[in-house]
Formats: sequence, C-alpha cells, structure tokens
Amino acid sequence: GESVGLHLPTLSVQEGDNSIINCAYSNSASDYFIWYKQESGKGPQFIIDIRSNMDKRQGQRVTVLLNKTVKHLSLQIAATQPGDSAVYFCAEKNYGQNFVFGPGTRLSVLP
Amino acid sequence: NAGVMQNPRHLVRRRGQEARLRCSPMKGHSHVYWYRQLPEEGLKFMVYLQKENIIDESGMPKERFSAEFPKEGPSILRIQQVVRGDSAAYFCASSLASRGVTDTQYFGPGTRLTVL
Repeated sequence: GESVGLHLPTLSVQEGDNSIINCAYSNSASDYFIWYKQESGKGPQFIIDIRSNMDKRQGQRVTVLLNKTVKHLSLQIAATQPGDSAVYFCAEKNYGQNFVFGPGTRLSVLP
Repeated sequence: NAGVMQNPRHLVRRRGQEARLRCSPMKGHSHVYWYRQLPEEGLKFMVYLQKENIIDESGMPKERFSAEFPKEGPSILRIQQVVRGDSAAYFCASSLASRGVTDTQYFGPGTRLTVL
C-alpha cells in the first residue's frame, strides 16, 4: 500500500508484483521529463525519459506514462525485484530552463 | 567509459573552515550542474556551468558559495566559512547538450559534507 512517511511517501509492494509510482508536476509548459532512481548513499541514476509530445514510453521492465491534461507522470515497474528498492524522483523541465525535481517516493519491495 | 566523478565522497569540516568539492563530467560533456540534497528531500538546483562560464547561479546562496569550471580540470564548488546548515549531499551532473529539449543529466555519486 501507499502511505505518507515522515518525509517521503513510501510505496510497499510484494516482490513480483507491479509497482506504480506517481508524480504530479507543476509547470504546464514543461516539455521533457525524466525518472531517476536513487539508492541509499548513491547518486540519482537515469531510468527513462519522455517528451511532451508522447504519452507513453517503454523500457526494459519500466513504462512511463504522461498525462498533460492533469499534469501527471507515472512510472510503472513490472515484476518488481528487491533491487528496485530505492527512492524514485521525477524531474521536469521546460526548454532552456533547469530541471525541477519532485520530492521523491520511496519504493520498498517486500519478500 | 567513466561516468561523472566526484571527490571526495565524504568530507568533514569544522565550522568556519572551507569545503572544496570536485566534479569531473562524463567524457565529452561540457555542461555541469550542481545540486544539493538534504536527507529525505529532493534535489535543489544550485548552479549551471559551462567551461569557464557560469550560466545560471540562481539557486546558489549569494554569500560563501562559489563555483567554477576551468578550461582544464574539474568543476569545483567552494563553500567558505561553513556552518552546520551546509551539511548535505552535494551532487554534480553533466550533460552533452545545452539545456535544450532533451539534455539528459547524468549524476555523480555525490559528496557528503558534514559540518561539526
């Protein structure tokens, strides 16, 4: 289930289930979005990106969905594995501007 | 094919000392970004540099903080007279393009600064 922790919202899923991590972005003019994965003590790692002229993009076990109407971005992870446990950040940007990062969601994979 | 490198990985300073954080971008990248991250929080943009130029420092405090990216060598984020509130993880990212439509940023492992 999903719960709001002291600082980061946390999503707990069973190993093997699919995970859906959501992100509400702020700028309707944003035209490029990235999902990053950050493991404890490490830097953010690029997972997948999507441009605003698309509404879906698939990678290996991951899918990003973009709904510009409601300014919503989601990351779907298929067959979640223990190695997927991390904090996931969405980042949005507009052409010529800097990336703005969301607050992050902690994904916890239960055995 | 080395990624973004940062050093030191951990840095401990006493209040009033100076902290120097180094970042070497990915090979072929000439755009460097510095971010700050507090525990359990997202990344906050500090400064964007190209070789020998500061392009955008809108996220960097006006006092005590400075950044450079010389023609030769790594980018350096310098914090003078550190205070406890400077304790954080500082991440560097580099990109190939220039804040264009799809200038994917790749991050280094970060420097964790602790101010005693």
